[in-house]
Amino acid sequence: GAVVSQHPSRVICKSGTSVKIECRSLDFQATTMFWYRQFPKQSLMLMATSNEGSKATYEQGVEKDKFLINHASLTLSTLTVTSAHPEDSSFYICSAFGTGRAEQYFGPGTRLTVT
Amino acid sequence: EDKVVQSPLSLVVHEGDTVTLNCSYEVTNFRSLLWYKQEKKAPTFLFMLTSSGIEKKSGRLSSILDKKELFSILNITATQTGDSAVYLCAGEGNAGNNRKLIWGLGTSLAVNP
Repeated sequence: GAVVSQHPSRVICKSGTSVKIECRSLDFQATTMFWYRQFPKQSLMLMATSNEGSKATYEQGVEKDKFLINHASLTLSTLTVTSAHPEDSSFYICSAFGTGRAEQYFGPGTRLTVT
Repeated sequence: EDKVVQSPLSLVVHEGDTVTLNCSYEVTNFRSLLWYKQEKKAPTFLFMLTSSGIEKKSGRLSSILDKKELFSILNITATQTGDSAVYLCAGEGNAGNNRKLIWGLGTSLAVNP
């Protein structure tokens, strides 16, 4: 199956700092990548749809100035959590549709803890 | 408003039991219904269903879609402790030019030895 990687897998940062999370499609080109957030014992919440070469589409209630998304190539999308606060602590997961495939493949996720 | 509802929310069974997980959906411009298994990390893909009445099978897991009644079921036979996980159902639709998944809350399955 298609492989999606994320880096880092786990990050701890201080309140007020910014954190960048990378999402890469390793063996396929992804024109569209998705960023999700998942709190403990809750389902996935779509934050934004990342389109290569254009602005991301954010879901209602997600601050685009706080969660900066860049999708500069067909294999890389980044999510930057700016001025992170403890309430931003969560599990962030990216996914992508593989070229010529109908199903969505997920990265392994990034556990963000803001202290 | 698009929504996906899964039931039950949680389930505890013994090894060897058969379980049926339910997923009903209302998704605009519906394309497909997907099942994922989530253990401690990100979800892993199980099935994608696009046509009614055609059962998809993978080992002890199987799934079927009813596009008239707008639901899908995921069956797991002869359950094992390794089947313990959250099973997520998602409906795929179109939002403009974008493909989009609407997620259910998941069914948390615990298989006891």
